[in-house]
Amino acid sequence: GENVEQHPSTLSVQEGDSAVIKCTYSDSASNYFPWYKQELGKRPQLIIDIRSNVGEKKDQRIAVTLNKTAKHFSLHITETQPEDSAVYFCAAKRSNDYKLSFGAGTTVTVRA
Amino acid sequence: EPEVTQTPSHQVTQMGQEVILRCVPISNHLYFYWYRQILGQKVEFLVSFYNNEISEKSEIFDDQFSVERPDGSNFTLKIRSTKLEDSAMYFCASSETGTGLQPQHFGDGTRLSIL
Repeated sequence: GENVEQHPSTLSVQEGDSAVIKCTYSDSASNYFPWYKQELGKRPQLIIDIRSNVGEKKDQRIAVTLNKTAKHFSLHITETQPEDSAVYFCAAKRSNDYKLSFGAGTTVTVRA
Repeated sequence: EPEVTQTPSHQVTQMGQEVILRCVPISNHLYFYWYRQILGQKVEFLVSFYNNEISEKSEIFDDQFSVERPDGSNFTLKIRSTKLEDSAMYFCASSETGTGLQPQHFGDGTRLSIL
């Protein structure tokens, strides 16, 4: 089955700096890659997703890049703010499957 | 914005007892899921459900687990005889479509503690 690895497990950045989280996946048939943000005690919230027919997608300060050949995808947060502090999860899915396969999560702390 | 709601937020149960976790998916969604997250580990898929049938399940979802849509709004996960290792956060999710590329929306989770 699909195996998603996520790095780093923790990330501390100064407010205003950028944060980058990387994920690799094992199944070349995966073609949908969402990112979830989970604040303490709250639900995982979808913040951005990318499909395998595009290499990059941007939404304000958040961007995701996908390299299908290397089987990795990354989340980029620019101009970080304290409210960006949370646990971020990447996931992968094949279009013929129902399940999402998740990475282990990255705890991001933005220092004021 | 519509949300997936889960109850209870925290459930404490004695080992060997049955427990039912409840979810109300987003109203126009047709596909429903349960995931779990053991403390410090990855979020793991348990089961997906569509049209009153299980559409996919993981090896975790053994005979101790069952799912049901008892009415037009609720979706439940039952664990028949709980074990210590069932202690985890259980998340319900729903989506408009199942296979394909539609996002899954998650609830706040139920923290299950088995004593």
